[in-house]
Amino acid sequence: GAGVSQSPSNKVTEKGKDVELRCDPISGHTALYWYRQSLGQGLEFLIYFQGNSAPDKSGLPSDRFSAERTGGSVSTLTIQRTQQEDSAVYLCASSLLGPDFREQYFGPGTRLTVT
Amino acid sequence: AQSVTQLGSHVSVSEGALVLLRCNYSSSVPPYLFWYVQYPNQGLQLLLKYTSAATLVKGINGFEAEFKKSETSFHLTKPSAHMSDAAEYFCATRNSGNTPLVFGKGTRLSVIA
Repeated sequence: GAGVSQSPSNKVTEKGKDVELRCDPISGHTALYWYRQSLGQGLEFLIYFQGNSAPDKSGLPSDRFSAERTGGSVSTLTIQRTQQEDSAVYLCASSLLGPDFREQYFGPGTRLTVT
Repeated sequence: AQSVTQLGSHVSVSEGALVLLRCNYSSSVPPYLFWYVQYPNQGLQLLLKYTSAATLVKGINGFEAEFKKSETSFHLTKPSAHMSDAAEYFCATRNSGNTPLVFGKGTRLSVIA
């Protein structure tokens, strides 16, 4: 079946512009995660959705970052007034929910370059 | 907060040699532990997981890892490296079933012919 997809695969933007990154999770996966992968910082958690609500936003680095999820499916990560330090690969993952371990399936990522 | 530390940002081995990638965890309770692999321009793929059922965990592609509480370690091994194993490997942990993953910095594995 289809895995997690992300779009665009690459995005180059000028400093100060807003960008939107999209994640399409695996159908039926209630949990959705955004992570950021950057040089020197490794992989960092940004935000977690359970359905359409976000019980954990603790990883969002500033108020320029926001995310939403609609219909328990597609999620959009928005970065306003982009800065050069926002350059990174943004990874999305989805999983089923449950009391025990549920594997997170990762998308290929969106590579964001802020010039 | 739980964390993992990967020793060595880059490991180079010859084809057919033993692969050993090191990971130490910091946790006051038995954690969930994972190894992920990332091939160039791809997302992360789960290699194996430890969820306290067994200390020696076997994963895909011939990899395995052993949970050693006395050493707070969860090192990844493979008896014989293959060229296709060249990738970045991440050790990760999480508090419970659906909490976010906390990753190590990653170790890039190179395999020399």
